Amino acid sequence: DTEVTQTPKHLVMGMTNKKSLKCEQHMGHRAMYWYKQKAKKPPELMFVYSYEKLSINESVPSRFSPECPNSSLLNLHLHALQPEDSALYLCASSQEAVMYEQYFGPGTRLTVT
Amino acid sequence: DAKTTQPPSMDCAEGRAANLPCNHSTISGNEYVYWYRQIHSQGPQYIIHGLKNNETNEMASLIITEDRKSSTLILPHATLRDTAVYYCIPRPVYTGTASKLTFGTGTRLQVTL
Repeated sequence: DTEVTQTPKHLVMGMTNKKSLKCEQHMGHRAMYWYKQKAKKPPELMFVYSYEKLSINESVPSRFSPECPNSSLLNLHLHALQPEDSALYLCASSQEAVMYEQYFGPGTRLTVT
Repeated sequence: DAKTTQPPSMDCAEGRAANLPCNHSTISGNEYVYWYRQIHSQGPQYIIHGLKNNETNEMASLIITEDRKSSTLILPHATLRDTAVYYCIPRPVYTGTASKLTFGTGTRLQVTL
């Protein structure tokens, strides 16, 4: 199984809502990533988890809160988002955090109203 | 990190070879060249990587010039499903820290009938 799954596929939320994005992989990978992709732009790294510990935070605003409850699961908790946070949120995993062969999920398309 | 230059767009007829160039003249001796692609509405997909020698796998071939200042990704028999944005990403061989994929603007390949 070389698949990274993400739920939901689409999410519409108001600026006062709290929601979560979920990512799952069963490849035994020990590193997981969140990327943000705005329309017609390349993906940008947000967070890296290695062995369930936060390894990199690319100065992401605190309204985005990542969580890695176990090595297969990665969540992104969202609170008080702004309309400019509307984007495609991509999850990825790799065998180890030092490896650049990353497997990406299909993404969650988020719209903040 | 080495800077890359890729043409913004290219066209290729179905069944013909697609040759996607990447200039990375500032690449250092310990940096691999990674290639990813992103088909519309999907997450990026790893294709291939190389350091000095040419590489081939089931998806593509990678030709790296002897001076390592440029490389070419070759899709030998392009199909409509190869229509995507292709990213060339130089990355250090090993840094001992978590890997960060930095996507540039890439080349939008359009395969036509």
